[in-house]
Amino acid sequence: DQQVKQNSPSLSVQEGRISILNCDYTNSMFDYFLWYKKYPAEGPTFLISISSIKDKNEDGRFTVFLNKSAKHLSLHIVPSQPGDSAVYFCAASKKPSNTGKLIFGQGTTLQVKP
Amino acid sequence: EPEVTQTPSHQVTQMGQEVILRCVPISNHLYFYWYRQILGQKVEFLVSFYNNEISEKSEIFDDQFSVERPDGSNFTLKIRSTKLEDSAMYFCASTYDPYSYEQYFGPGTRLTVT
Repeated sequence: DQQVKQNSPSLSVQEGRISILNCDYTNSMFDYFLWYKKYPAEGPTFLISISSIKDKNEDGRFTVFLNKSAKHLSLHIVPSQPGDSAVYFCAASKKPSNTGKLIFGQGTTLQVKP
Repeated sequence: EPEVTQTPSHQVTQMGQEVILRCVPISNHLYFYWYRQILGQKVEFLVSFYNNEISEKSEIFDDQFSVERPDGSNFTLKIRSTKLEDSAMYFCASTYDPYSYEQYFGPGTRLTVT
């Protein structure tokens, strides 16, 4: 049941350049999308989110874009820094849910080279 | 900064044994979750818990699993009779408002069933 998919298992980017991580979903009932970052031996850490009523949300170097018609979202990191090297998970939540259950993608490992 | 803690960090058990994984959520949070990640796979929702009862559970969360908040600060996941396929990283998460969707994760407990 792959409702949230991250088709690229890994991405390598040069420091200072843009990192673009992609995520696709199949369930049109999803109404909220989140990106989490995970370092080894740590739990996922919330990074940025977007509601389905928006198409863009920006927070510093991180911007999330949502294309509902394509059921696609992306995370842009500009400029990328070596400390951004981590596994990035896309997650979604759907109506009706007041439990906050999150459905995760498989993750993309980002490596930012100095 | 408040954080979710989990103990132990690594638990090794024999098949058929009972294990209890412990979590201390952030103190003012009201909604609690368990997720798991089998090596190389996605993070999967197991159960959500609010007001001393389960609010949602996944198909994975069968009769072998139970959760409890025994003393107002700890949140535990019990697996009654472990199977080899229960080997995974188990993450506890909490939030004060499920509609915010931003869940705070602990560092995880690695469960190895032999």
